[in-house]
Amino acid sequence: GAVVSQHPSWVICKSGTSVKIECRSLDFQATTMFWYRQFPKQSLMLMATSNEGSKATYEQGVEKDKFLINHASLTLSTLTVTSAHPEDSSFYICSARAPLAKNIQYFGAGTRLSVL
Amino acid sequence: GQQLNQSPQSMFIQEGEDVSMNCTSSSIFNTWLWYKQDPGEGPVLLIALYKAGELTSNGRLTAQFGITRKDSFLNISASIPSDVGIYFCAGQGNSGYALNFGKGTSLLVTP
Repeated sequence: GAVVSQHPSWVICKSGTSVKIECRSLDFQATTMFWYRQFPKQSLMLMATSNEGSKATYEQGVEKDKFLINHASLTLSTLTVTSAHPEDSSFYICSARAPLAKNIQYFGAGTRLSVL
Repeated sequence: GQQLNQSPQSMFIQEGEDVSMNCTSSSIFNTWLWYKQDPGEGPVLLIALYKAGELTSNGRLTAQFGITRKDSFLNISASIPSDVGIYFCAGQGNSGYALNFGKGTSLLVTP
């Protein structure tokens, strides 16, 4: 299957700092990528849809100024958590839609964010 | 999007037993997907279903796309310890390719 790389796999930061998470599709071009957040023992919650060359579409209740998304190329989307606070601590997962594979979403390995 | 109804929430079985889990939705989907997630990892695609009534196998896994397009099931035969994990169903409609996930089924397999 298609490969999606997510980096870093875990990060610890101080409250008030910003953290950038990268999502790359390694062997296919993805015009659409998705960002999810997952709390312990819960399902994935869609935060936003990232479209190459245009603004991201955020789900209701997700602050776009808090979670900045940039999708500048067909293989890279980034999520920046700005002015992080302890309540932003979570598991963040990206996925990329493979248009040549019946639009299946392939997921990255996730990023564990801990804000102190 | 809506959250799908996935059951059971958890299963605790012995190695060698068969497992069945299912997912229902209040709306129609064009694609049903089954993913497995290990602790601290992202979901990995197991089976994708594209047509109502479709029955697809992947090794010991078998999944079906319900006739009504509102449900799907996943069966695992002869379970082994490495089947341990959380299984998620996901439905994809025709608006933007976003996925609607079930709450997950946690599977524990004892040797």
